[in-house]
Amino acid sequence: DTEVTQTPKHLVMGMTNKKSLKCEQHMGHRAMYWYKQKAKKPPELMFVYSYEKLSINESVPSRFSPECPNSSLLNLHLHALQPEDSALYLCASSQDLTSGKETQYFGPGTRLLVL
Amino acid sequence: GNSVTQMEGPVTLSEEAFLTINCTYTATGYPSLFWYVQYPGEGLQLLLKATKADDKGSNKGFEATYRKETTSFHLEKGSVQVSDSAVYFCALNDYKLSFGAGTTVTVRA
Repeated sequence: DTEVTQTPKHLVMGMTNKKSLKCEQHMGHRAMYWYKQKAKKPPELMFVYSYEKLSINESVPSRFSPECPNSSLLNLHLHALQPEDSALYLCASSQDLTSGKETQYFGPGTRLLVL
Repeated sequence: GNSVTQMEGPVTLSEEAFLTINCTYTATGYPSLFWYVQYPGEGLQLLLKATKADDKGSNKGFEATYRKETTSFHLEKGSVQVSDSAVYFCALNDYKLSFGAGTTVTVRA
């Protein structure tokens, strides 16, 4: 089973709201990722967690706050977003980061609209 | 740094036509190579992969061979169906997943 699940599927929020995106995998993977994808573009890496610790932050604004409560779950907390943050947010996981060449498996994404 | 270049789209084909999408890469190390597919309104799905030179990845009638001498990983399918309409991303992983720009493929009945 190579399934990554994400909730919600769609989210509409105002610029003053606080919301969270959730991601879950049960493949025993120890690396998890958040990506942002704008229309007609490839995904852009935001954050990487390895063994529940933040490993990479690609200079993402602080209005995005990741959290990895355990090895199966990854959250992305959103606060005071801007309309330009509207995008598809993708979660991915991989076995780990040992070789640097691992296969990443993606979830279906959360489509976020910021009004 | 590492980079991936794939052929510009969009590509429009008739059903049962042959599909090829060119992908070349630049890497300082020895990356793994991937093709991901994104159907309308969905996330990315792994289509196939190859981890070393001369490996051939295959899935659902699609094939790609890791060519180190030409730094290429071209995607091919012999007979496309309407259900193959999607955006296809070539990618390499060498401590960071780097994507090509994506190629939109539309198959007409």
